Formats: sequence, structure tokens, C-alpha cells
Amino acid sequence: EVQLLESGGGLVQPGGSLRLSCAASGFTFSSYALSWVRQAPGKGLEWVSAITGSGDGTYYAGSVKGRFTISRDNSKNTLYLQMNSLRAEDTAVYYCARRQLGRFYCFDYWGQGTLVTVSS
Amino acid sequence: QSLLTQPPSASGTPGQRVTISCSGSSSNIGSNTVNWYQQLPGTAPKLLIYSNNQRPSGVPDRFSGSKSGTSASLAISGLQSEDEADYYCAAWDDSLNGYVFGTGTKVTAL
Repeated sequence: EVQLLESGGGLVQPGGSLRLSCAASGFTFSSYALSWVRQAPGKGLEWVSAITGSGDGTYYAGSVKGRFTISRDNSKNTLYLQMNSLRAEDTAVYYCARRQLGRFYCFDYWGQGTLVTVSS
Repeated sequence: QSLLTQPPSASGTPGQRVTISCSGSSSNIGSNTVNWYQQLPGTAPKLLIYSNNQRPSGVPDRFSGSKSGTSASLAISGLQSEDEADYYCAAWDDSLNGYVFGTGTKVTAL
């Protein structure tokens, strides 16, 4: 069974940093590209970042470029999101999501999410 | 500001057909396939439709998707109470080099 389990969320002050983790199981981790998607309270979904299966390709939304860094450790089956210079508008539930294999860009499995609150 | 526009809400009585539209542009829907996600209250999103009109295993056939030009739509034939959820369209955007979600539509069974 495919499982994605996020952790690392919490309360952080504006300007602070936080690192999220997503532990994966039930599939060949290194074969799949992964993404982070966030959802502000009461708002819609926003794609944040993506990384290829090997980790040699990364992509970012304009709203987080230069502040967030996505990475993965294929030996530990874990995805990360390092978030620096956090702002109030980064407050959201952060989901990790697996990209479906093949040529179609879609997310076939999602974690349950971890809440990040940026506030003083 | 999302590049994919959806109506904020849609509703119908149980058994009715409900349709949700998704309007994009040449750099997203016009160039790439469209996906739809269902988010039940308090839960993570779930892939409902991929590649415009394909249903993952386990998704009921009352859900169907279509695409024409720079727009797409999701239809629910025979609305059921358990279909009450938020629905999001999504596609890769070649100009942004990123994935974009629609604004979301809340479906209510009256």
C-alpha cells in the first residue's frame, strides 16, 4: 500500500525557517517524481515545488522561489522541503504528492498533510 | 491568482447531472492534459480524472471529464450525497514551468 506521511509542521515566527519531511512507503521511491502542494486555511490548492525521481531536477512556484528548497534522500525514502524567510502568507497545510508514472502530469497519491503556521 | 478559473459553487438534487467548467489558456489547458481532484471535507485531495477523461481505478463511472481548446469540464451524472466536496481542475503550465490548480468549485447536493 502506498503511503506518504508528512511531518515537521508547526508554529514559526515570520522570517524563520522550518523543514518538512515526507516519509514514503509501498512503492519504489526513486522511480517517482514528487511534489509539495499547499492549502491556506479556507483556500484552494497551490502547487509549491517538484523534484524528479533522481533528484537532479527541481521546480518551484514563483511565490517560493529563492526561499524554499526541495530535496530527497532516496536511501531513506524521504522527501524534504526546507522553508526559509517564512511569511504569514506561507501559512497552510502542506501535502506531499506522488506524480503518476508516465507522460501525464498528475498526482495519484497524497499524504494527509502537515500544518505550518507563520505568526508572531 | 490562479490561471484556471472555475465557478465557486455548483449544486443539484440527488440523481441530477452537475457540470463544472474550468477555463484556462494556451499555455496550460491548451497545451497539456487536464486533471481533476476531489477533496472531501477535512481530507487530502484525491485524483478523480487524469489525462482529460481517464478515471483511476476505483473512481465511479458517474464522473467524467472532457476538454476542448483551452477549457475543460467535469460532469457528475447522478449526483449522490457523498459527492459533496470541493473539486479542482489542474494542468501543467508551459509558461510558468509549473503545475497550476483551478480556483475550486464546491459541490452541494440539495
